[in-house]
Amino acid sequence: GAVVSQHPSRVICKSGTSVKIECRSLDFQATTMFWYRQFPKQSLMLMATSNEGSKATYEQGVEKDKFLINHASLTLSTLTVTSAHPEDSSFYICSARPPSGRKGGNEQFFGPGTRLTVL
Amino acid sequence: LAKTTQPISMDSYEGQEVNITCSHNNIATNDYITWYQQFPSQGPRFIIQGYKTKVTNEVASLFIPADRKSSTLSLPRVSLSDTAVYYCLVGDKDGTNAGKSTFGDGTTLTVKP
Repeated sequence: GAVVSQHPSRVICKSGTSVKIECRSLDFQATTMFWYRQFPKQSLMLMATSNEGSKATYEQGVEKDKFLINHASLTLSTLTVTSAHPEDSSFYICSARPPSGRKGGNEQFFGPGTRLTVL
Repeated sequence: LAKTTQPISMDSYEGQEVNITCSHNNIATNDYITWYQQFPSQGPRFIIQGYKTKVTNEVASLFIPADRKSSTLSLPRVSLSDTAVYYCLVGDKDGTNAGKSTFGDGTTLTVKP
């Protein structure tokens, strides 16, 4: 079945540095990928929708200049947290949708998540 | 996007059947209902999806009444490993909204021995 990977699974960085997180769909092409953020004991919050070959669509309140999203190919989307601060520490999760018609409906396949800790 | 409401938490014992109900009063005609399971520090995992009536797979059943304003996830004979957070989502069928879905607060299911 559809598999989505994320790299790295865990990253610790110093305040002010930038961190890049990769999301790959391993056995299908995804024209659309989603990026979520999840704080402890909270639900997933959609940050942005990543579209292959075009600019990402950000949710209200998410700074596009801070969270840079690049969907360079049909199997890879990256999220770069620029000038990270401790409040950016969170669990970042991506998801991808198979091409329309493969399964129908609105099924998303999620990556395993990336734990970011900013010191 | 349709808002969903679920119980915050539920407790059960091993071997019991667990039913988690989700309310989605504003569900749109083209919306599907999808349930995900999430363990700590992992991404959500797809459980089941349906549009109307009843859907069953190897792990769960999904019951959807005719008005589609709610749905019930049924987990037969739960085990300790079913302890997780369960999310109900509603989203468009053909991606006209880019398949965007909003996660509600989810239901934390705790299975006790």
